[in-house]
Amino acid sequence: KQEVTQIPAALSVPEGENLVLNCSFTDSAIYNLQWFRQDPGKGLTSLLLIQSSQREQTSGRLNASLDKSSGRSTLYIAASQPGDSATYLCAVGKDFGNEKLTFGTGTRLTIIP
Amino acid sequence: DGGITQSPKYLFRKEGQNVTLSCEQNLNHDAMYWYRQDPGQGLRLIYYSQIVNDFQKGDIAEGYSVSREKKESFPLTVTSAQKNPTAFYLCASSIPLAHEQFFGPGTRLTVL
Repeated sequence: KQEVTQIPAALSVPEGENLVLNCSFTDSAIYNLQWFRQDPGKGLTSLLLIQSSQREQTSGRLNASLDKSSGRSTLYIAASQPGDSATYLCAVGKDFGNEKLTFGTGTRLTIIP
Repeated sequence: DGGITQSPKYLFRKEGQNVTLSCEQNLNHDAMYWYRQDPGQGLRLIYYSQIVNDFQKGDIAEGYSVSREKKESFPLTVTSAQKNPTAFYLCASSIPLAHEQFFGPGTRLTVL
């Protein structure tokens, strides 16, 4: 059974710093990995999707990497801003044709002005 | 604007009552999903549907039911058989087999 872990559960950093969020998964046979952002009481916003054949994806100040063999992904946020404060979730898709995503419990990020 | 809408935003239910949560999308996506989110836990899949008139149980389907009569709509009924229904419910949709899921704003259900 796939298990997805995100450590730490919470992180606080001063504004302007670069930071890395971690996601690990136990079964490396994944189809893709998706990073989401969730603001309090809101739905999830898709940030980046990495296919299993890819090593990384970039969008603006965000860069997500994937290392299937070690079961790890990282989300790098450059030049953090207070508006980046949110909970970040990663989710892995099992295989082609299987629509299920397995979610981590998230990292709650606070950017200190 | 294209997107996913969920209603109501907040829902209160007495024990023993069935309630139905609405999910509508105008993204022309074939696949739709229902998740439950509890504090400190990841999202858990309740039901999903890859095409109209077809749906499959997820990991925690007991006490829930769904229908998929239209492509745009995937309502979730929380029945009285669900032992602990208080939670935040999220609906999502995706292009089949693409696995990139897009989420609605959620419905918070509280059982009184």
